[in-house]
Amino acid sequence: NAGVTQTPKFRILKIGQSMTLQCTQDMNHNYMYWYRQDPGMGLKLIYYSVGAGITDKGEVPNGYNVSRSTTEDFPLRLELAAPSQTSVYFCASSPRGTENYGYTFGSGTRLTVV
Amino acid sequence: ILNVEQSPQSLHVQEGDSTNFTCSFPSSNFYALHWYRWETAKSPEALFVMTLNGDEKKKGRISATLNTKEGYSYLYIKGSQPEDSATYLCALKETSGSRLTFGEGTQLTVNP
Repeated sequence: NAGVTQTPKFRILKIGQSMTLQCTQDMNHNYMYWYRQDPGMGLKLIYYSVGAGITDKGEVPNGYNVSRSTTEDFPLRLELAAPSQTSVYFCASSPRGTENYGYTFGSGTRLTVV
Repeated sequence: ILNVEQSPQSLHVQEGDSTNFTCSFPSSNFYALHWYRWETAKSPEALFVMTLNGDEKKKGRISATLNTKEGYSYLYIKGSQPEDSATYLCALKETSGSRLTFGEGTQLTVNP
């Protein structure tokens, strides 16, 4: 099993450009999450999904959009990139709630907005 | 916004030393507490998921305890090795909602 796969690994965007960070998992997990990690700030939740067709905002959703049309895929869209979105983005999944299962994380996408 | 705090922020120990660090969290609405190990240039990996007051979990030289009444968990590493160098994250799940709130982590460096 590949687990959680994120693409791309690195990207440089110009201010105002848009892009989609891809996340796919092959473990049939219901729950998927997008986090960003800024230096010294820990992981902040952007959006999450408890199943296909259902998404919810996390702590820092502004400037981002998500969709969950299938169980496997949970792409994160940046519409108008801003320097404040320079960060490392992690996608994660879990089988259902987190009462007994830890998250499985992807390897991250390092995004720089210039 | 939940306040999950970890201390210390960073820690340097010598190979062979035993060490521990703390995760503090609001005890009301507690549901589960997670510990993750995060090596540089890799992604976080789950170590433990703890749900019951008094829980103690062990994985090799690493163990964790949980006190849900007072709102803290300890992570212990016995006989630290250089390969234990990583950031250790704790994360809280409350009864409502399905997401974790992460602390900022304790960065451990084990010097040979």
